[in-house]
Amino acid sequence: GEDVEQSLFLSVREGDSSVINCTYTDSSSTYLYWYKQEPGAGLQLLTYIFSNMDMKQDQRLTVLLNKKDKHLSLRIADTQTGDSAIYFCAEILLSGGYNKLIFGAGTRLAVHP
Amino acid sequence: DGGITQSPKYLFRKEGQNVTLSCEQNLNHDAMYWYRQDPGQGLRLIYYSQIVNDFQKGDIAEGYSVSREKKESFPLTVTSAQKNPTAFYLCASSTYRGQAGNEQFFGPGTRLTVL
Repeated sequence: GEDVEQSLFLSVREGDSSVINCTYTDSSSTYLYWYKQEPGAGLQLLTYIFSNMDMKQDQRLTVLLNKKDKHLSLRIADTQTGDSAIYFCAEILLSGGYNKLIFGAGTRLAVHP
Repeated sequence: DGGITQSPKYLFRKEGQNVTLSCEQNLNHDAMYWYRQDPGQGLRLIYYSQIVNDFQKGDIAEGYSVSREKKESFPLTVTSAQKNPTAFYLCASSTYRGQAGNEQFFGPGTRLTVL
């Protein structure tokens, strides 16, 4: 089945680390993505990880992938108020000859002073 | 600057009316997509097009129609048959068939409200 699950809310203090978790269902997914959505805006690709990797780091962002448990996480170091947004996890499924993105419901990150 | 534009940003519709949402991209992408976003839910795929003059239904196509006459443009019509059209609509594009990781680039969205 197609299902990507995320917790809906996360609140952190400015300067702390944020960890957003995601579970997915299809073990054949080749890429997994993290998108960010600011209020009233479209989605912006933050980072992605190829399925043969366990970890990917990009400045303040660290993505961890546990293929055995089908678990993906996004860690944001030194979280800032500008990081307040909705974060979507997504996996790729091959469906009808087309690479379809399946999105989670999104995790709303609130950063407070 | 390359990117995706959607217009209008806000759209109000009376019940029983059809409305068309515009999506244009200058990224030279072959594939384009329409998603619907409701509060507390992920994005749901309405229609997608992998190439000009071809499009396929997504998961929630009922009450919607599209056309793909030009590579740059993929307009979405919300018809009166769509029972609950109030939502945020997002258009996206990507390289053909998911090459290079199938990164999808999103437009800024159109918020449709039915009065």
